[in-house]
Amino acid sequence: SQTIHQWPATLVQPVGSPLSLECTVEGTSNPNLYWYRQAAGRGLQLLFYSVGIGQISSEVPQNLSASRPQDRQFILSSKKLLLSDSGFYLCALFIGPVAFFGQGTRLTVV
Amino acid sequence: KQEVTQIPAALSVPEGENLVLNCSFTDSAIYNLQWFRQDPGKGLTSLLLIQSSQREQTSGRLNASLDKSSGRSTLYIAASQPGDSATYLCAVLSGGGADGLTFGKGTHLIIQP
Repeated sequence: SQTIHQWPATLVQPVGSPLSLECTVEGTSNPNLYWYRQAAGRGLQLLFYSVGIGQISSEVPQNLSASRPQDRQFILSSKKLLLSDSGFYLCALFIGPVAFFGQGTRLTVV
Repeated sequence: KQEVTQIPAALSVPEGENLVLNCSFTDSAIYNLQWFRQDPGKGLTSLLLIQSSQREQTSGRLNASLDKSSGRSTLYIAASQPGDSATYLCAVLSGGGADGLTFGKGTHLIIQP
């Protein structure tokens, strides 16, 4: 069965610092991968999705970027974090019509 | 653009009660609807998935219904237990499919022992 690994679980970063969150998956090949953000008082917002290596689609213009260097690796990055980047970041994949989520990374920008 | 709304935003009930969580969506052209559970600080666990051609799905004490034409789904929890306390999220898969799920903001459920 598929497994989604996200790290780190929690992260506190100062404003203006860079960011790199990694998501790796096991037990499936060529998955569609997604990055969501859950901010306080808001629903989950789709940030990026990828249907294959090097293919990234952005849903919301923002301070973040994503890359997919390998089939089972999806990375969320920022060159300079903003306070508004704080939130809970979730990586997800689809097996057919069913979505599976990682355990998330809690990012606090101070 | 698809929008998903969940009512109520929060709910607190005594243990043993049956309860209903509501979800509505604006665009009825969906592939499926999925209910998730989220514990504090954790990821999402899929509870039930209803395909657009289905009317309901059941798993244990959980029953989810779908009325696609009216843009509504309900999650029914029977004989609630303190362990059911969590945030419940409704999400729909629509559009081209590859652009992921649209989520509601969730219902924060507390079951009082």
